[in-house]
Amino acid sequence: ILNVEQSPQSLHVQEGDSTNFTCSFPSSNFYALHWYRWETAKSPEALFVMTLNGDEKKKGRISATLNTKEGYSYLYIKGSQPEDSATYLCAFIRDTGNQFYFGTGTSLTVIP
Amino acid sequence: EAQVTQNPRYLITVTGKKLTVTCSQNMNHEYMSWYRQDPGLGLRQIYYSMNVEVTDKGDVPEGYKVSRKEKRNFPLILESPSPNQTSLYFCASSLIGGFGTGELFFGEGSRLTVL
Repeated sequence: ILNVEQSPQSLHVQEGDSTNFTCSFPSSNFYALHWYRWETAKSPEALFVMTLNGDEKKKGRISATLNTKEGYSYLYIKGSQPEDSATYLCAFIRDTGNQFYFGTGTSLTVIP
Repeated sequence: EAQVTQNPRYLITVTGKKLTVTCSQNMNHEYMSWYRQDPGLGLRQIYYSMNVEVTDKGDVPEGYKVSRKEKRNFPLILESPSPNQTSLYFCASSLIGGFGTGELFFGEGSRLTVL
């Protein structure tokens, strides 16, 4: 079983703080890395799909970077807002393209 | 509206009583997959399907069956449910699986309890 790790497991920040978390994955057989946002009582929704080493993606206040050689991706949230409170999941896709391996997620709580 | 629909959303059943969780998508996606979510563990892939009549095991297929007779439907079958299959289940679809920009679109989840 392939191991994808996310840290920290949970995070509490004040509104307005910037924060970041990590997804670590195997550096071999890499095809893609996905980030998903999962709000309580809802379904996970895709944030980013990243495929190239050095990729940087941005959506509003949220951005992500990718280092496939060392096997990690960072997700950054600038100026956190209460509506950013959610669990953030990463998923590693190996080069066969057919299996998704999820981390356990980082639970973010933004305190107003 | 583009969506993935799962039924039932909630189910309490007893050990050994066969059940099926249906999953249907209206986006003409090639790829469909099932996951289970348990406390402290990430989403774990049970089965996936790259296309009609093409299915394969994920990481935790024991105790489950699937079929893909039509592109839009991918039911999950528990022939003889056991308490260790109590979990939150998600169905997800993707245009082309993990390739390209194949992000997953998730259903709303099915919470299953096996007594």
